[in-house]
Amino acid sequence: EVQLVEFGGDLVQPGRSLRLSCAASGFTFDDHAMHWVRQAPGKGLEWVSVISWNSGSIGYADSVKGRFTISRDNAKNSLYLQMNSLRGEDTALYYCAKDKGASGDFTGYLDVWGRGTLVTVSS
Amino acid sequence: DIVMTQSPDSLAVSLGERATINCKSSQSVFYSSNNKNFLAWYQQKPGQPPKLLIYWASTRESGVPDRFSGSGSGTDFTLTISSLQAEDVAVYYCQQYYVAPYTFGQGTKLEIK
Repeated sequence: EVQLVEFGGDLVQPGRSLRLSCAASGFTFDDHAMHWVRQAPGKGLEWVSVISWNSGSIGYADSVKGRFTISRDNAKNSLYLQMNSLRGEDTALYYCAKDKGASGDFTGYLDVWGRGTLVTVSS
Repeated sequence: DIVMTQSPDSLAVSLGERATINCKSSQSVFYSSNNKNFLAWYQQKPGQPPKLLIYWASTRESGVPDRFSGSGSGTDFTLTISSLQAEDVAVYYCQQYYVAPYTFGQGTKLEIK
């Protein structure tokens, strides 16, 4: 079964850091680009970041650029999101998602999603 | 950034009737070199992650019922549910993947009338 499981979400104070992880199983992880997408409580979807299969290409939303860093470890079938200088507006459910394209570079449409991990930024 | 605007924000349709959701992009998401529109549709039911329904504007994802169809080109797109079923109650999002950041529409909430 193709599966993505996110973890690492927590309640954190503004200005602090947090690292999210996503464990992938059931598919060849290093065949696919991977994304993070977030959803603030009661709001819509916001694309956050993408990383190609070999980490050679990376992209970020303007809202997180310079504060968040995406990375992956293909040997561990894992995706990460290092979040620094957290703000209240970063409060959201963070989803890990698989890029449907099989070339390893990102196509941008997402065919497998995890259930998300909740990040709450509040003092 | 490409802005995606969906209409309406919410929609109530009777069971068995047609539901139509529109999505407009602030610039064309059609790539002439491969003749494809870089547009996807997702369904999100309460308490669940989004589910991919349609990509390349009109290609149905495997396992998606054929009552779901996508159409349009350039900047104007439509998701149609030909005969609404109770399990189709959800929020629907369009997304452009023509260029990063891969922006989503604000969502359309579909309910039963």
